[in-house]
Amino acid sequence: DVKVTQSSRYLVKRTGEKVFLECVQDMDHENMFWYRQDPGLGLRLIYFSYDVKMKEKGDIPEGYSVSREKKERFSLILESASTNQTSMYLCASSANFNEQYFGPGTRLTVT
Amino acid sequence: GQNIDQPTEMTATEGAIVQINCTYQTSGFNGLFWYQQHAGEAPTFLSYNVLDGLEEKGRFSSFLSRSKGYSYLLLKELQMKDSASYLCAVRDNNQGGKPIFGQGTELSVKP
Repeated sequence: DVKVTQSSRYLVKRTGEKVFLECVQDMDHENMFWYRQDPGLGLRLIYFSYDVKMKEKGDIPEGYSVSREKKERFSLILESASTNQTSMYLCASSANFNEQYFGPGTRLTVT
Repeated sequence: GQNIDQPTEMTATEGAIVQINCTYQTSGFNGLFWYQQHAGEAPTFLSYNVLDGLEEKGRFSSFLSRSKGYSYLLLKELQMKDSASYLCAVRDNNQGGKPIFGQGTELSVKP
């Protein structure tokens, strides 16, 4: 059975902290994605990766960075968390940009 | 660029049929996806259309007209558990081939 896992379901951080969100998939997919989801704005792509050590900016990369050292793991990093980064963060993976499999999401609150 | 439009909210009655529309504008269309997302959960894949016509999968069907930039998701014999958000996403080869999501349609099924 297909599986995408995320390191935390809920996370509370303070403004200015460095935050790491981890995502792991067990399907040997080339492509992995990080989205944030906010009411009224839908799913917005932050970054995606199409191979190990490869990354591409999405629509809203400012304030974020990513790391993909292994095929199965894609990390999202908030260098200095701010309150406007309070959101639901969803990781996804896919083969050939077809059907995406999503993780359960991490609800991040920055205070 | 790309623009994807869906109604924000819809309400329907248990046992009825509902049609959720999605219109899009892309320069390099290469497929349209529908996802279902229950509150507090991750999106799950429903359908994929790349050619014109109707794809049927049980109670759910998805239609595509590439010339009109239009798709709909048809849900038959509505059940209470169909209350969810329905996300339309389009692949655009001129945007790196990654899926771009609309804001989603919140469907409420009432007894």
